[in-house]
Amino acid sequence: EAQVTQNPRYLITVTGKKLTVTCSQNMNHEYMSWYRQDPGLGLRQIYYSMNVEVTDKGDVPEGYKVSRKEKRNFPLILESPSPNQTSLYFCASSQEPLQPQHFGDGTRLSIL
Amino acid sequence: GNSVTQMEGPVTLSEEAFLTINCTYTATGYPSLFWYVQYPGEGLQLLLKATKADDKGSNKGFEATYRKETTSFHLEKGSVQVSDSAVYFCALLSGGSNYKLTFGKGTLLTVNP
Repeated sequence: EAQVTQNPRYLITVTGKKLTVTCSQNMNHEYMSWYRQDPGLGLRQIYYSMNVEVTDKGDVPEGYKVSRKEKRNFPLILESPSPNQTSLYFCASSQEPLQPQHFGDGTRLSIL
Repeated sequence: GNSVTQMEGPVTLSEEAFLTINCTYTATGYPSLFWYVQYPGEGLQLLLKATKADDKGSNKGFEATYRKETTSFHLEKGSVQVSDSAVYFCALLSGGSNYKLTFGKGTLLTVNP
């Protein structure tokens, strides 16, 4: 089954404790992206990756890092999480940048 | 920059009512337009798309027409069901915007039996 898998689905943690949210897709897609969803703001892009070893900032990259060492994986790293990063996060992928994106089921992060 | 404006919710309808959710956009170039749906506790799913002016996207009884003259992509369904209750997002994708999807803020639809 074609899918984008995120882990964990839920996480409660404390300020300053580094965390990583994993994202993996099994569709051999070139393009991957991370979004955060906040009430009243819709979804905003954090980072995106056009291909392996090619990543770039989206609209709200501050406080986040990403890497793309393999085509299937695109982890989101919060080096020193803060409460304003409490949000619902989605990973997405597509075969090409201009094709519709497939979304994971989301990761709800709470930073206390 | 690119932007999407969709009608504020929540929208509450009775089963079999007609649905319209308005969406207008601002973009450079010729964007592709999408409607995504998010059911409770799930990720976003592509509902329909249109890639050029006057294209009509349709799926599961929903329709939307790409209107370049009014920069709009309104979502319609003739007869909603309880199972259509979800959050609906209008979005655009333009090659001139780092290939990112620009989303509207979402519209919560609740359909009552």
